[in-house]
Amino acid sequence: SAVISQKPSRDICQRGTSLTIQCQVDSQVTMMFWYRQQPGQSLTLIATANQGSEATYESGFVIDKFPISRPNLTFSTLTVSNMSPEDSSIYLCSVVLLNTEAFFGQGTRLTVV
Amino acid sequence: ELKVEQNPLFLSMQEGKNYTIYCNYSTTSDRLYWYRQDPGKSLESLFVLLSNGAVKQEGRLMASLDTKARLSTLHITAAVHDLSATYFCAVHSGGGADGLTFGKGTHLIIQP
Repeated sequence: SAVISQKPSRDICQRGTSLTIQCQVDSQVTMMFWYRQQPGQSLTLIATANQGSEATYESGFVIDKFPISRPNLTFSTLTVSNMSPEDSSIYLCSVVLLNTEAFFGQGTRLTVV
Repeated sequence: ELKVEQNPLFLSMQEGKNYTIYCNYSTTSDRLYWYRQDPGKSLESLFVLLSNGAVKQEGRLMASLDTKARLSTLHITAAVHDLSATYFCAVHSGGGADGLTFGKGTHLIIQP
């Protein structure tokens, strides 16, 4: 299994500012995934973060808005840039251990005011 | 593009009753997940189904997978109030190392 720690667990931010969310995994993994869950909605994949290469973004998500870092095999960050109230969501990081299952962090609840 | 459809999206039921949630997906996938989410919480993994015909049970919940029909079911037996939550199914977009595509979720309310 994998234990994933996310920081912060929640934050309230002013519009126009940026927030960086950290994700730490207790084992080395090739890929880490970032998801967004808007209020009352399902989860949507934002991007896949590979160590040593640029993140791969899903349709509708761009690097300028959601820059991602992946400095090593156990850590990643997601930044939500130039925030607006529409960015208020829960952001979750996840890893998949091959032949087992996908594991999720506890999420970061972001409110933009 | 992979599509994952759940139904129903909302279900209100009485304690003691049985019901089934359905999850259809549009392309081949090597595994299917069921998650539970309580309000304000992250995802709790319920089941990982890895092969055609797989059936897993935990307490009052039983999940099955038919890869030929691209269909999974989550069956609730003799529901209790504590099972009230939102249930999501999810499949990998490509191989097992890809990100997940989620269904819209089934909001389940179990009334005493």
